[in-house]
Amino acid sequence: QQQVRQSPQSLTVWEGETAILNCSYEDSTFDYFPWYWQFPRESPALLIAIRPVSNKKEDGRFTIFFNKREKKLSLHITDSQPGDSATYFCAASGRQGGRALIFGTGTTVSVSP
Amino acid sequence: EAAVTQSPRSKVAVTGGKVTLSCHQTNNHDYMYWYRQDTGHGLRLIHYSYVADSTEKGDIPDGYKASRPSQENFSLILELASLSQTAVYFCASSDLGGRYAEQFFGPGTRLTVL
Repeated sequence: QQQVRQSPQSLTVWEGETAILNCSYEDSTFDYFPWYWQFPRESPALLIAIRPVSNKKEDGRFTIFFNKREKKLSLHITDSQPGDSATYFCAASGRQGGRALIFGTGTTVSVSP
Repeated sequence: EAAVTQSPRSKVAVTGGKVTLSCHQTNNHDYMYWYRQDTGHGLRLIHYSYVADSTEKGDIPDGYKASRPSQENFSLILELASLSQTAVYFCASSDLGGRYAEQFFGPGTRLTVL
């Protein structure tokens, strides 16, 4: 059972457009939601994270919108740049399991100049 | 910034052979994790540890053992490697202490089992 789901699987946008990546989760006890990005042949790196006490978290061109009632969140990338081309993973963790991360299957974003 | 290193960076193993993947971190983190990444599956947790000489099973522990001989070192052992264990393996560390904290990932080990 996939506890964290992402859509779409891939996404292509033009430079300057806004990319919207979606994520949903099953477990209502999850209390930390980081987004990681990963470039080819590299390891995942933390991009931005949110906790359910907030419904929005912004860091430059990257914004997380969080809907606790619907168990959904989204990552918005505004003014997309070619350097943003990467695979983005939504993840979640709770107090159990050593706070290990449960990852979604990722969204591959391609930004065309 | 946390430093997590892994060795080897890539390995080719034969079916039925023993494989040991090593991870070393230098930032005094208590928590360490082993994940595997397969195309289309994101990352999945194999084992984790929050203290030396103790390990815990993750979501997909079958076919894997883990060892945490010290705070800095965490190994993943495949006693009898199988074709299905071909994947990229990532080690991560975190300084939790009951709080939310970033996990820092190592560069990964690309394992091919033939």
